[in-house]
Parts: sequence; C-alpha cells; structure tokens
Amino acid sequence: AQSVTQLGSHVSVSEGALVLLRCNYSSSVPPYLFWYVQYPNQGLQLLLKYTSAATLVKGINGFEAEFKKSETSFHLTKPSAHMSDAAEYFCAVSDLRGADGLTFGKGTHLIIQP
Amino acid sequence: IAGITQAPTSQILAAGRRMTLRCTQDMRHNAMYWYRQDLGLGLRLIHYSNTAGTTGKGEVPDGYSVSRANTDDFPLTLASAVPSQTSVYFCASSETRTGELFFGEGSRLTVL
Repeated sequence: AQSVTQLGSHVSVSEGALVLLRCNYSSSVPPYLFWYVQYPNQGLQLLLKYTSAATLVKGINGFEAEFKKSETSFHLTKPSAHMSDAAEYFCAVSDLRGADGLTFGKGTHLIIQP
Repeated sequence: IAGITQAPTSQILAAGRRMTLRCTQDMRHNAMYWYRQDLGLGLRLIHYSNTAGTTGKGEVPDGYSVSRANTDDFPLTLASAVPSQTSVYFCASSETRTGELFFGEGSRLTVL
C-alpha cells in the first residue's frame, strides 16, 4: 500500500520568500511522485513529476522538487514566491504500474503575504 | 484541445434522487478515474477503469457505480444520493505507463 503525508495544511510566506512544501511518502515499490496545483474553482494541473530519472525535477512556474529515497521525501520548493502562487498543492504517489490511479496527500494551502 | 470534459459543472440534488456525472476524454487514454475532493481530506479515489470494459473499486466506492462501454466515456452514477455525497467530483485519465493524471474541471454536487 502507498500513502502520502503533507506536513502543514496551510503554509504562509511573504512575496519574494522561499516556498517549501513538504511531502513524505510510503510505498512498497519504487514510486512515481507528483506535485499538482489547484487554483480556486479549477481542476488539478501537473507541476512536476519524478519517474526514476534525475532526482532533482524541475517543473512549471519555477517550482522544483528533489526525490530523496533515504528520507522518503519529495519536497516542493520555489526560490521566490509570487502572489500568483497562492493555491492548493497536492503531492501524489503511484507505483510503477500506475494502473490504479494516484494516492494523494490531503493538500497544502499556500498563502502569499504581500 | 479539450482533454477531459465533465458535466454538469454544478448540480443541486434532493436526497434519494439518482444522478449521473458525465466524463468524456479525447486523448485516447486507456485508464480513467473518478475522485471526490473534500476539505481536509484531499482527493479520494472512488472507481477506476484500466481499459474499456473493465472497472475497479477505489478507496470510497460505496454508493457509486461506473461503467466503461468505450475508451472515451466514463460516467459516474449515484443510484440514491445522500447528503454525505456532497462533494466536488473530478474525472481524470492517464497513460498507464507514467501514471500522470489529466483532470477535468470538476463537478460540484450538493445533496440536500
């Protein structure tokens, strides 16, 4: 069985500050890992994904994430927050088959302070 | 490119009524999914289909049914709606090998 834990249901940062959203996973097989973003009243949009290639993954809008097997983590970062980054962020895990969908974390609401 | 189309976008429904949420994809993906999103609980898988003609149960299947008569369509049916089924429902599809999901815009359902 696989699971995802996102630390912090709400994270608040100042505009221009570092964004760090934490994700730890549990998986019985080597995982695929994903970060999705959801803007208000919209569906989920893929930010980036790890599929066993490079451990540092770059995504859209300046976000990146690093897969650390020893820590079972896949934290999402962005060097400088913009007001437009305010949204809900979801970490998700899949096994190599990907056949039964993704298991999602409960989400982290990112608040950007002006 | 349409991707995933869901209908209706929003619906208010009386308890006990039957409701079908529609989902159509134009990407020819084999796998399709239905998730529900509830505040504080994230997204939970209701049902999935790995290919046309097959379906499977997810984490929260009770009270829901699905069918997959062809590759493009994956309707979700609530046979007799209850207030606890008030939620936002997302349909998604994927190419099985990567597991990446492509989502629709969601259907907001309120059961009174």
